[in-house]
Amino acid sequence: GQNIDQPTEMTATEGAIVQINCTYQTSGFNGLFWYQQHAGEAPTFLSYNVLDGLEEKGRFSSFLSRSKGYSYLLLKELQMKDSASYLCAVRVNTGGFKTIFGAGTRLFVKA
Amino acid sequence: DVKVTQSSRYLVKRTGEKVFLECVQDMDHENMFWYRQDPGLGLRLIYFSYDVKMKEKGDIPEGYSVSREKKERFSLILESASTNQTSMYLCASSTESSGNTIYFGEGSWLTVV
Repeated sequence: GQNIDQPTEMTATEGAIVQINCTYQTSGFNGLFWYQQHAGEAPTFLSYNVLDGLEEKGRFSSFLSRSKGYSYLLLKELQMKDSASYLCAVRVNTGGFKTIFGAGTRLFVKA
Repeated sequence: DVKVTQSSRYLVKRTGEKVFLECVQDMDHENMFWYRQDPGLGLRLIYFSYDVKMKEKGDIPEGYSVSREKKERFSLILESASTNQTSMYLCASSTESSGNTIYFGEGSWLTVV
């Protein structure tokens, strides 16, 4: 089956760095996404990794290790507005492409 | 900017009613998706479509059907709404040329009483 695991909740302090981990067991892996979702709103795209390594985009970075079925999202210089859910999603090719999502990690940023 | 528009933001329906959720995207994307999102379960794929008049079952298609008569429009149908279909429904679209990034609509909050 297809499975994506990430922690349910995390808390961090404004200005700090936080790492949100994601592990996956899927067949037909074809890329990994991170999305941000504020309460009551739709998810918005943050990053996409298809090759191993680190992708950096401003305060956010995403890492992928395909051999380990592992990714993380790194948020630097945390701001209060970063309080949101962060969704790990894997694109798979099972005769057709589809994207499956983890349950999300709720991040609370405190002053 | 890609825009995915869902026709209704909040709906309240009675058990047994037929419910239509409409979704329109304005970027000529081939792929369209319907997800539902429930606390602790994340986003679960109901149905998706790669082309006009084409549909594929996702992970939880039971109790739902879809229609894609035009490329820009993808409708989700609940033939006979039940209380366990109370949820937030998210429509999304993507295209190969966008790196397969999925763009979401604002969501439709459906309550079945």
